[in-house]
Amino acid sequence: GNSVTQMEGPVTLSEEAFLTINCTYTATGYPSLFWYVQYPGEGLQLLLKATKADDKGSNKGFEATYRKETTSFHLEKGSVQVSDSAVYFCAWAGGTGRRALTFGSGTRLQVQP
Amino acid sequence: SQTIHQWPATLVQPVGSPLSLECTVEGTSNPNLYWYRQAAGRGLQLLFYSVGIGQISSEVPQNLSASRPQDRQFILSSKKLLLSDSGFYLCAWNFGRGPANEKLFFGSGTQLSVL
Repeated sequence: GNSVTQMEGPVTLSEEAFLTINCTYTATGYPSLFWYVQYPGEGLQLLLKATKADDKGSNKGFEATYRKETTSFHLEKGSVQVSDSAVYFCAWAGGTGRRALTFGSGTRLQVQP
Repeated sequence: SQTIHQWPATLVQPVGSPLSLECTVEGTSNPNLYWYRQAAGRGLQLLFYSVGIGQISSEVPQNLSASRPQDRQFILSSKKLLLSDSGFYLCAWNFGRGPANEKLFFGSGTQLSVL
């Protein structure tokens, strides 16, 4: 079935370290792909998205490239900050007749000063 | 601008008691509305979504139900709560006329503890 798989957390990094959070998807057709972020005590908010193969979404220093050949949408940031500590969710949309996003299980990132 | 309101922020209920969580959206019309649940240590699970008044799609069989009595109001209910209903409940919306990849806007969530 259609699904999203992301790496388990927590991921603990020191400030200014390089971040990669892996995400792979299983879906028919050409879904749109998203990364959402949930800061402590808040709801989710969209971080970035890509709607077709080879598109790169970017925001706040984060990037993710839609790789159709590897069905992946890995999230990267060159230099993380303490304020990036949050839970990151990969998601896809585009199921036939279904206007809802399918989310991965979330990856908690902890950045230490 | 559009806003989404969800309440209460926290709720502690005994097993077997009823539940009613309310979500309202302001500043838009005919939104798609969603209820998600985030259980401890687990990801987001879609519970219900609605594309219009009285139109509810259920994703997971359970003892919860949803209703949409008005265009911008979405209610999550249960007649008898179970321990397994504990979790963080999130309401969300996106533009009804947009493509299926339109971004979701989330409420601040309700932390439900069933004891």
